[in-house]
Amino acid sequence: DAMVIQNPRYQVTQFGKPVTLSCSQTLNHNVMYWYQQKSSQAPKLLFHYYDKDFNNEADTPDNFQSRRPNTSFCFLDIRSPGLGDAAMYLCATSSDKSYEQYFGPGTRLTVT
Amino acid sequence: QQPVQSPQAVILREGEDAVINCSSSKALYSVHWYRQKHGEAPVFLMILLKGGEQKGHEKISASFNEKKQQSSLYLTASQLSYSGTYFCGTETNNNDMRFGAGTRLTVKP
Repeated sequence: DAMVIQNPRYQVTQFGKPVTLSCSQTLNHNVMYWYQQKSSQAPKLLFHYYDKDFNNEADTPDNFQSRRPNTSFCFLDIRSPGLGDAAMYLCATSSDKSYEQYFGPGTRLTVT
Repeated sequence: QQPVQSPQAVILREGEDAVINCSSSKALYSVHWYRQKHGEAPVFLMILLKGGEQKGHEKISASFNEKKQQSSLYLTASQLSYSGTYFCGTETNNNDMRFGAGTRLTVKP
């Protein structure tokens, strides 16, 4: 089935140790998004790609970076995770801007 | 800027109706509605584009008042499966999705 896949589902990292989360999609969608969702809060958009064009939200910390090597894959790099970065990270895709978004199951990041 | 959702929480009995509201201080291009169950990813319900349209999806429908930058989600004859947290997401012309804080809906037998 066409879907949005995130790996790993659970990630534990140490304070300050770089970590990479991955997202892949079989929907051939142009737009890919990364959201951060903390407990009992709304998802917060970190950045999105429209094809290869990268769009960073103004309040996304520099500690967060992203790569999209091809249409199917997108990566979220956290260069020096802090305790405050512990959250669920959601990847989503849409066929175009302002279309419905399909979310992956998320990666729950724990920082020790 | 995050849209404002109300109410924060609502408890219903099966078969009852509910309305969830979402408002923004910005001129909106689109409003999205998603439902998220505990421990799961958000699931798309519907999208409304500027033009003041109203959409329906089974017993769930929504409206978008472009002049007031407000949207409402209508849940009629609620079912147990409707339980979850409902988020509205708003976009301006800059494709800058912002989700509201969410409305926790609980449907009891």
